[in-house]
Amino acid sequence: GNSVTQMEGPVTLSEEAFLTINCTYTATGYPSLFWYVQYPGEGLQLLLKATKADDKGSNKGFEATYRKETTSFHLEKGSVQVSDSAVYFCALSSPGGANSKLTFGKGITLSVRP
Amino acid sequence: NAGVTQTPKFRVLKTGQSMTLLCAQDMNHEYMYWYRQDPGMGLRLIHYSVGEGTTAKGEVPDGYNVSRLKKQNFLLGLESAAPSQTSVYFCASSYVQGETQYFGPGTRLLVL
Repeated sequence: GNSVTQMEGPVTLSEEAFLTINCTYTATGYPSLFWYVQYPGEGLQLLLKATKADDKGSNKGFEATYRKETTSFHLEKGSVQVSDSAVYFCALSSPGGANSKLTFGKGITLSVRP
Repeated sequence: NAGVTQTPKFRVLKTGQSMTLLCAQDMNHEYMYWYRQDPGMGLRLIHYSVGEGTTAKGEVPDGYNVSRLKKQNFLLGLESAAPSQTSVYFCASSYVQGETQYFGPGTRLLVL
């Protein structure tokens, strides 16, 4: 079945540091890939997505590239801010008509120090 | 445009009590979902609906029931609450199944 594996957390960085959060997946076919972010006390919101191999999703300075050869969708940001402190979830969906659903990773907590 | 809303925000139950969580969306989405979020477990799908009048089981459906009598509403029921159901519950909706989901703010449930 489908699965998403995220690197273990939590992650603590200083402001303006470079961020990489690893995500790898197992899926049949050609899934769409997503990064969701959950700020403290809120629900999840879509951060970025990519729907086919070599696509790059980007938003708010975050980027992730769909790498089919390594089955990965790592999230990067060149300079993090305190406001980026949140929980980040990688997710995938495989095409499958009525049975197509999102599969989430376990999430990783990012804390950014001033 | 409120998006996805959830009622209540927080609730405390005693073991054996029942309750219903309400989810409403104003985006005319066909697909709706209920998840629970537990530490170290990520989000796990409880039940989902592909349209008004339909429901289906997700990954962890035991102990929960759902109903989708109106397109905009998706109700999650606990008939006899157990401490293992202490969690944060999120509702989500999407226009196309398997694509971007829009989440509500969550309901924090504590079962004593």
